[in-house]
Amino acid sequence: ETGVTQTPRHLVMGMTNKKSLKCEQHLGHNAMYWYKQSAKKPLELMFVYNFKEQTENNSVPSRFSPECPNSSHLFLHLHTLQPEDSALYLCASSQEAWRGGADTQYFGPGTRLTVL
Amino acid sequence: EDQVTQSPEALRLQEGESSSLNCSYTVSGLRGLFWYRQDPGKGPEFLFTLYSAGEEKEKERLKATLTKKESFLHITAPKPEDSATYLCAVQPRRDSTLTFGKGTMLLVSP
Repeated sequence: ETGVTQTPRHLVMGMTNKKSLKCEQHLGHNAMYWYKQSAKKPLELMFVYNFKEQTENNSVPSRFSPECPNSSHLFLHLHTLQPEDSALYLCASSQEAWRGGADTQYFGPGTRLTVL
Repeated sequence: EDQVTQSPEALRLQEGESSSLNCSYTVSGLRGLFWYRQDPGKGPEFLFTLYSAGEEKEKERLKATLTKKESFLHITAPKPEDSATYLCAVQPRRDSTLTFGKGTMLLVSP
């Protein structure tokens, strides 16, 4: 595997289900990100992890719960979601968040989530 | 608050018809401006990073330029395989977060 991988690629869940999205990066990076992409809207940053520590939470509802057990893996735990949470969820990674110079983020293919 | 506005929202070109996409931005200290390409149902694919006004970068038929207020993505003699949504994002000096525009959807017809 190379780059950033995400599983599953597609997920359909009911409003009372609990599911998890998984992201793995094979780039040796130290920072990982979750984004939400909805139709006609810009990518929305949800969470940032730097060296496994959460450094940003963009006012995301508590029904989304991130977990970063190490610098290569990132999870997004989902529970009691709403239909408006249906979107493409993208994971990204970057070399290091706090060093000088621009820090390029590399994205995974995304998980298409549908909440019924 | 950092902001990115991309125009046009959609652009249809004939194969070989050159054009430019615009990205206007405001940011509190620019660390980098990024261009990505996104195909339907896929994640954004990194194209370019621009760091300072006057900088230019090229890749095949694409050329990105940067001023203090905007960036352009010039597409020379496009081909149908260039059809995609092109995303612009800015990164501030204070951290590694990206603020994205809504993108320009490009369709190149044979």
